[in-house]
Amino acid sequence: NAGVTQTPKFQVLKTGQSMTLQCAQDMNHEYMSWYRQDPGMGLRLIHYSVGAGITDQGEVPNGYNVSRSTTEDFPLRLLSAAPSQTSVYFCASRARQGASGNTIYFGEGSWLTVV
Amino acid sequence: LAKTTQPISMDSYEGQEVNITCSHNNIATNDYITWYQQFPSQGPRFIIQGYKTKVTNEVASLFIPADRKSSTLSLPRVSLSDTAVYYCLVFPRGGYQKVTFGIGTKLQVIP
Repeated sequence: NAGVTQTPKFQVLKTGQSMTLQCAQDMNHEYMSWYRQDPGMGLRLIHYSVGAGITDQGEVPNGYNVSRSTTEDFPLRLLSAAPSQTSVYFCASRARQGASGNTIYFGEGSWLTVV
Repeated sequence: LAKTTQPISMDSYEGQEVNITCSHNNIATNDYITWYQQFPSQGPRFIIQGYKTKVTNEVASLFIPADRKSSTLSLPRVSLSDTAVYYCLVFPRGGYQKVTFGIGTKLQVIP
């Protein structure tokens, strides 16, 4: 099973450029989320989705857009990259209910550097 | 989401048992306690979940007292490969969408 797949794994951007981090899951999970992780800051929630067509903001949404056109995909868009967005980004998914409803599955991470 | 408090860091020698305690005083009746482990350069992964009393799996044990206001993750006979950050999360099974992580506990295992 592929689980949660993120691409790209590494990316260098220039300030002002835009890009999209891709995330796909093959577990038919309703919930998907994007987190960023900075040294000493833990994981901070950027945006999340409870199903296709439904998204909402997390703790640090500014500078990022998301959409959820299908259950499987949840791309994260950086509109105009800034050095403060240099971070490691993790996509995650989990089932809405059932015995595994508290198990969050993470992707391998995307390392983004903005210069 | 119930607020959790756990130590920022811990050191342990190889072969010792490690106990990491998480406080969650405002835990709700339908909340479950879940622990995640994160190795460097990887995403967190689920290790154990419990509601009350004790849960044990091949990786760890989770002790939850009757009042459920705290929980203790126990790692038996740690090795260098257990060096990681451990996160305690408390939220309802299913239905809760906005799951946030704290800083976690950085466990350093010393040879």
